[in-house]
Amino acid sequence: DIQMTQSPSSLSASVGDRVTITCRASQSIASYLNWYQHKPGKAPKLLIYAASSLQSGAPSRFSGSGSGTDFTLTISSLQPEDFATYYCQQSFSTPRTFGQGTKVEIK
Amino acid sequence: QVQLQESGPGLVKPSQTLSLTCTVSGVSISSGGYFWSWIRQHPGKGLEWIGCIYYSGNTYYNPSLRSRVTISVDTSKSQLSLKLSSVTAADTAVYYCARGERGYDVFDIWGQGTMVTVSS
Repeated sequence: DIQMTQSPSSLSASVGDRVTITCRASQSIASYLNWYQHKPGKAPKLLIYAASSLQSGAPSRFSGSGSGTDFTLTISSLQPEDFATYYCQQSFSTPRTFGQGTKVEIK
Repeated sequence: QVQLQESGPGLVKPSQTLSLTCTVSGVSISSGGYFWSWIRQHPGKGLEWIGCIYYSGNTYYNPSLRSRVTISVDTSKSQLSLKLSSVTAADTAVYYCARGERGYDVFDIWGQGTMVTVSS
């Protein structure tokens, strides 16, 4: 199985901050990397697919980059509705695997 | 508007079979452009992919669960189902169904999830 490791596990930030979350794969996954936002009690939402493509309806302040083993999710200006847990997920091979999540909290 | 809604018992006894249903609306469950998955989240933990089914009927399961899992589709009811046999407390989790978009192999629509507790 491909292991996905996110960092940090949690972070505290203020509204308006630029936030960066990283995801590292245990082997190369080309650009088969997706990012999801998850709020408690809600359905997870797809934000970024294929490493850098913004999902329709996702705010443009979200962006993704990277290829191979190292990937980044960036929120350019954190908004109140962005406080949530973010997961990366690889779709390079089966079984599909997720990172352990990064919880973004209010400072 | 595509919607997925999970349903099923919230409490299952150890050694029994967990059975969940996901009702799909707003899209044909037999559309070739999509596949259908189950994913779970243990309390306080990350997400674990359980398996998926394609319109062809082909299924793929997480090797860690393969011996106990069956995923199927009832197109007449527009429902996806999950059966997990011989459950233990380790199967206590929130279970999500999700639509997979075949082009980029991504889970683009999720249900809200249903909590299942395994306890006697």
